Amino acid sequence: AQSVSQHNHHVILSEAASLELGCNYSYGGTVNLFWYVQYPGQHLQLLLKYFSGDPLVKGIKGFEAEFIKRKFSLNLRKPSVQWSDTAEYFCAVNGYGNKLVFGAGTILRVKS
Amino acid sequence: DTEVTQTPKHLVMGMTNKKSLKCEQHMGHRAMYWYKQKAKKPPELMFVYSYEKLSINESVPSRFSPECPNSSLLNLHLHALQPEDSALYLCASSQEGSVDYDSPLHFGNGTRLTVT
Repeated sequence: AQSVSQHNHHVILSEAASLELGCNYSYGGTVNLFWYVQYPGQHLQLLLKYFSGDPLVKGIKGFEAEFIKRKFSLNLRKPSVQWSDTAEYFCAVNGYGNKLVFGAGTILRVKS
Repeated sequence: DTEVTQTPKHLVMGMTNKKSLKCEQHMGHRAMYWYKQKAKKPPELMFVYSYEKLSINESVPSRFSPECPNSSLLNLHLHALQPEDSALYLCASSQEGSVDYDSPLHFGNGTRLTVT
């Protein structure tokens, strides 16, 4: 069965700091990878997605990610975070069918 | 704002009650999903309807009964729930009958369910 690991459960940063959130998956085949964000009281929103091609992926709100196949990872990055980036971030993997499996989530708090 | 609408936003029910959660999307999506999210946990898949047919039931107890009256609507009927069923219930849809790069999930805001 596929699984997803997010390395940090809580991250606290100051505004303008750089962000990197790790995500590793276990699945031997071709995967679809997603990062979702859940702002307080809001719905899960798609930040970015990856299937194939350029391993550097651009998402919304200034987020980007790098796919490293040999590490089975899609790490989320943002060069300079803002207070409004305070949210919970979920990595998700879909290797086959309709079973999108989510990681445990990372709660990011940005101090202003 | 999300294009997947869930009602009600909050629901409190007793263990002997029968209630329903509703979900609606008008994006022409072909698949609809129910997820359950407990506090400080990731969403967990419950059911998937693809082209209005139940395609996945993740061994969910029968006290949860899904229904897909048409391609735009998804219901979750609740009966004889337990306090441990209290959670955020999320509805989602995808353009095609399965989730992939070209057909990611679009989520609603969820229904916060409390079982007393």
